[in-house]
Amino acid sequence: KQEVTQIPAALSVPEGENLVLNCSFTDSAIYNLQWFRQDPGKGLTSLLLIQSSQREQTSGRLNASLDKSSGRSTLYIAASQPGDSATYLCAVRTPQGAQKLVFGQGTRLTINP
Amino acid sequence: DGGITQSPKYLFRKEGQNVTLSCEQNLNHDAMYWYRQDPGQGLRLIYYSQIVNDFQKGDIAEGYSVSREKKESFPLTVTSAQKNPTAFYLCASSIEPGREQYFGPGTRLTVT
Repeated sequence: KQEVTQIPAALSVPEGENLVLNCSFTDSAIYNLQWFRQDPGKGLTSLLLIQSSQREQTSGRLNASLDKSSGRSTLYIAASQPGDSATYLCAVRTPQGAQKLVFGQGTRLTINP
Repeated sequence: DGGITQSPKYLFRKEGQNVTLSCEQNLNHDAMYWYRQDPGQGLRLIYYSQIVNDFQKGDIAEGYSVSREKKESFPLTVTSAQKNPTAFYLCASSIEPGREQYFGPGTRLTVT
């Protein structure tokens, strides 16, 4: 059974710092991996989707990498801003259940002005 | 303006009552999904539908029911059999199964 873990559960950094959020998964046979952002009491916003054949994806100040063999993905945020404060969730889609996402618990990120 | 709408944003019910949560999308997506989120936890899949008039149970379907009579709509009923219904419920859709999922704003259900 696929399990997804995000550590740490919470992270607080000063504005302007570059930071990395971590996501690990137990079964390397994944279809793709998706990073989401969730603001308090709101739905999820898709940030980046990495297919199993890709190593990374970039969007603006965000860069997501994928290492299937080690079961890890990272989300790199450059030059952090207070508006980046949110919970970040990663989710993997396995071939056995291609329509189902398995989510991590999320990392709650706070950027201090 | 395309997107996914969920209503209401907040819902309060007494224990023992059934309640239906609405999810509508105008993205022309075939697949739709219902997830539940509890505090400090990730999302868990309740039900999903790949096409109209078809749906399958997810990981935590007990105490829930769905219908998919129209492509645009995928309502979720939380029945009195659901032991811990208080949670944040999120609906999502994708153009087809396995593709990128887009989420609605969620409904927070409180049962007392």
